Amino acid sequence: AQKITQTQPGMFVQEKEAVTLDCTYDTSDPSYGLFWYKQPSSGEMIFLIYQGSYDQQNATEGRYSLNFQKARKSANLVISASQLGDSAMYFCAMRERGSGGGADGLTFGKGTHLIIQP
Amino acid sequence: ETGVTQTPRHLVMGMTNKKSLKCEQHLGHNAMYWYKQSAKKPLELMFVYSLEERVENNSVPSRFSPECPNSSHLFLHLHTLQPEDSALYLCASSQVHRTGFGSGDTQYFGPGTRLTVL
Repeated sequence: AQKITQTQPGMFVQEKEAVTLDCTYDTSDPSYGLFWYKQPSSGEMIFLIYQGSYDQQNATEGRYSLNFQKARKSANLVISASQLGDSAMYFCAMRERGSGGGADGLTFGKGTHLIIQP
Repeated sequence: ETGVTQTPRHLVMGMTNKKSLKCEQHLGHNAMYWYKQSAKKPLELMFVYSLEERVENNSVPSRFSPECPNSSHLFLHLHTLQPEDSALYLCASSQVHRTGFGSGDTQYFGPGTRLTVL
């Protein structure tokens, strides 16, 4: 079973509109972290926002916010007032407490290709 | 932001060649990671080094050999690769806190090396 599911392979959005990118996850570990990354065509993975499993409030970073619904195991990324430069691949990722003594790899979803239209 | 650098950015090699990918982080982190991103597949964790010791090897074929001489440098040595090894190879680093688990463990990625095996 997939640990991270992103159900939207691609999305077209008009500039200045808000965008919601879906992410659901699967884990039995009570302690985990959820991350969103942006990957432009250049290839670099750019960190956007983090949500911890014990965080009481939804994370926000500028135009990015995370709609965290723990009971539903959902961590959707919301981008407000989209811009042309937001066009990129967006990946949801999870880190569980593993055996790495804190150095644990991320499990990624397949990503959503977001295209902002003028 | 040039916190994590990777060289070369592009590499074309034959199946009998030996080459190395280099990653350097300037963030003062104590953990480094290699990921593989193939077309139409999620990012896959290959190797994790924490405090210069390998802590995870996700069943990666022996034709990939990692080396971490110090906390700032990470190499991936390649030999007798197959065409299916063509992919984007991403390096990341993070600061591991053994007593905690949170946003401070965020992994920051380099721009990647685009590898083509002929």
